[in-house]
Amino acid sequence: DQQVKQNSPSLSVQEGRISILNCDYTNSMFDYFLWYKKYPAEGPTFLISISSIKDKNEDGRFTVFLNKSAKHLSLHIVPSQPGDSAVYFCAASPDRGSTLGRLYFGRGTQLTVWP
Amino acid sequence: DTEVTQTPKHLVMGMTNKKSLKCEQHMGHRAMYWYKQKAKKPPELMFVYSYEKLSINESVPSRFSPECPNSSLLNLHLHALQPEDSALYLCASSQPGSNQPQHFGDGTRLSIL
Repeated sequence: DQQVKQNSPSLSVQEGRISILNCDYTNSMFDYFLWYKKYPAEGPTFLISISSIKDKNEDGRFTVFLNKSAKHLSLHIVPSQPGDSAVYFCAASPDRGSTLGRLYFGRGTQLTVWP
Repeated sequence: DTEVTQTPKHLVMGMTNKKSLKCEQHMGHRAMYWYKQKAKKPPELMFVYSYEKLSINESVPSRFSPECPNSSLLNLHLHALQPEDSALYLCASSQPGSNQPQHFGDGTRLSIL
C-alpha cells in the first residue's frame, strides 16, 4: 500500500524554466515531509523539508509547498538547471507512534532539464 | 562529499559467503538506518537503531544481521544470501525523533552470484 505517491515518473523542462514536482499522501499522521535528489550511483541527497505547521518553505532555488487539506505537496525549482537532472523522491514521516522517525518514500520522478 | 560513509562501494559474493557492510557517520546523530533499494524503486527500510538499540526491524530475513557497536558505526552482516538480495544497500543517519532529516551514504552495490 503506497502511502506516498508520485504519479509522474518523469518530467522534462527547459533550462531556466520552472520545474514542478508533485507528491500526494494518504496517511493523516504524516506531519513532516522531505524531498531528496538522487543521481545514479549515489545515495539520496536531502534537499528540503517542511513541517505540517507551515505551508511553504524556501531554500534558494527550491521551494516546497504543502496543502494539508488536499494531502498534497510540491517542489518548485526556479530556475531549472541541467545539473538538476536527477530522480527526485518525496518522503513523509509520522509524528508519533511506533513508526516515529520512519520515512515513507514515493517512487520518484525523473527530472530532465535540457539546454 | 557525503557525511555518511559506506564501505565497500561494491561487493560481489557467493550464496555461501559471509560478509559485512559498514557505515560510519560523525555528525553526532543517534539514529541510524539500513535501507535496501532495487532499480527504479524507492528505498525500503530494513532496520532502525536509536541510541544504539534496535528499534525497528521490518521483518527482514535472518540472513541479514544488523549491529550497532557505537553511536558512529553501523554494520550489516550478511550470510547465505539469495540472488534476489542483489540491490543497493543504503545507510542513513539522523537525530532521533520526529522532524529530523535523514542523511544517506552512497550505498554498497551488492551482487549475489
